[in-house]
Amino acid sequence: AQTVTQSQPEMSVQEAETVTLSCTYDTSESNYYLFWYKQPPSRQMILVIRQEAYKQQNATENRFSVNFQKAAKSFSLKISDSQLGDTAMYFCAFVDSGYALNFGKGTSLLVTP
Amino acid sequence: SAVISQKPSRDICQRGTSLTIQCQVDSQVTMMFWYRQQPGQSLTLIATANQGSEATYESGFVIDKFPISRPNLTFSTLTVSNMSPEDSSIYLCSAGRDRGTEAFFGQGTRLTVV
Repeated sequence: AQTVTQSQPEMSVQEAETVTLSCTYDTSESNYYLFWYKQPPSRQMILVIRQEAYKQQNATENRFSVNFQKAAKSFSLKISDSQLGDTAMYFCAFVDSGYALNFGKGTSLLVTP
Repeated sequence: SAVISQKPSRDICQRGTSLTIQCQVDSQVTMMFWYRQQPGQSLTLIATANQGSEATYESGFVIDKFPISRPNLTFSTLTVSNMSPEDSSIYLCSAGRDRGTEAFFGQGTRLTVV
């Protein structure tokens, strides 16, 4: 079975600092897609960043970037210049042979002043 | 992008009753899904809603308990039948256009069964 592991249930970072959330996954497919989603207290799931496995270049979206290590099946998210609005639950997810997202258990990130 | 409207946003129901949750997308999508999320926990896929045919259920979820309809490309319903307190959870609708592209989510329905 495909799995996604997020080993950090909770993390805290000060405003303007950098934080890295870890994620590992397991799949036997060679073509798949990786995602980080953010869920603030409003419950609305928001796409943070997306990576296609066949692309070696790490995806970036403004203050958010990933470190994609395909051989290690690792997909960590780096948040630079953390802001109070980044406080949320962050889910790592992937899609391989199917269409639906497989989610990790999530990391609760708290950004403090 | 796509905007998903999900109704109701929350409900408190008596055990033994049923609740139908509606999901409306503002544009045509290929795929629609239903997830369950215990508070503070991850999302678990219940089923894929297929247009014009029976939904595809994940292990541990059955049609008699969670009947799903998808009459067209933009609308789906999930019914939680014969509810018990164990069904108390957040139910989320999701939709997408192609495999591996962004999935859009409704704001969820918080269900409490008493």
